[in-house]
Amino acid sequence: SQQGEEDPQALSIQEGENATMNCSYKTSINNLQWYRQNSGRGLVHLILIRSNEREKHSGRLRVTLDTSKKSSSLLITASRAADTASYFCATDRDDKIIFGKGTRLHILP
Amino acid sequence: EAQVTQNPRYLITVTGKKLTVTCSQNMNHEYMSWYRQDPGLGLRQIYYSMNVEVTDKGDVPEGYKVSRKEKRNFPLILESPSPNQTSLYFCASSYGQGYNEQFFGPGTRLTVL
Repeated sequence: SQQGEEDPQALSIQEGENATMNCSYKTSINNLQWYRQNSGRGLVHLILIRSNEREKHSGRLRVTLDTSKKSSSLLITASRAADTASYFCATDRDDKIIFGKGTRLHILP
Repeated sequence: EAQVTQNPRYLITVTGKKLTVTCSQNMNHEYMSWYRQDPGLGLRQIYYSMNVEVTDKGDVPEGYKVSRKEKRNFPLILESPSPNQTSLYFCASSYGQGYNEQFFGPGTRLTVL
């Protein structure tokens, strides 16, 4: 059963623009994490936000968490060609880890 | 270098021929996990382990077995592979609980004919 669901499924933007993707989940969580995957490779951890945090920054990344709405957003500012990848949110349910289906981000030159 | 390794990276096999995919981490992590990734379905957890000799089912455990005899190793066993197990498999590990940052291996692409 899917816990996290990303939205949109795919996103194409011009280089330099900001990209926003969203994640919704169903049950209470300890943390919510965002990962990036480049074309069939292993996932790379981007940022972790704890359930008692509302916003977190890391370089060009900004993550928000609204536990009342059970949703999170990932903002990538000033996008670059190298940001082209799939982005996944991951949440915990009991001791299991649940990934969403991902957002495919394509940065146009 | 801190890493998670998987072997083999690519494997083509036939239905019913038992196989093992190895996973090893050098970070002394307690939590280890196996995922499969299929187009349109994202990553789904197969099995996870909270520590040595402690394993539990994820969301899609059917057709798979695991063991955790040592902290660093977490092999995935397919006793009788079937074509619906053709997929991209990832091993991951994390310190403490699984909801901490996970470190992923490079993936194993398995094709079952």
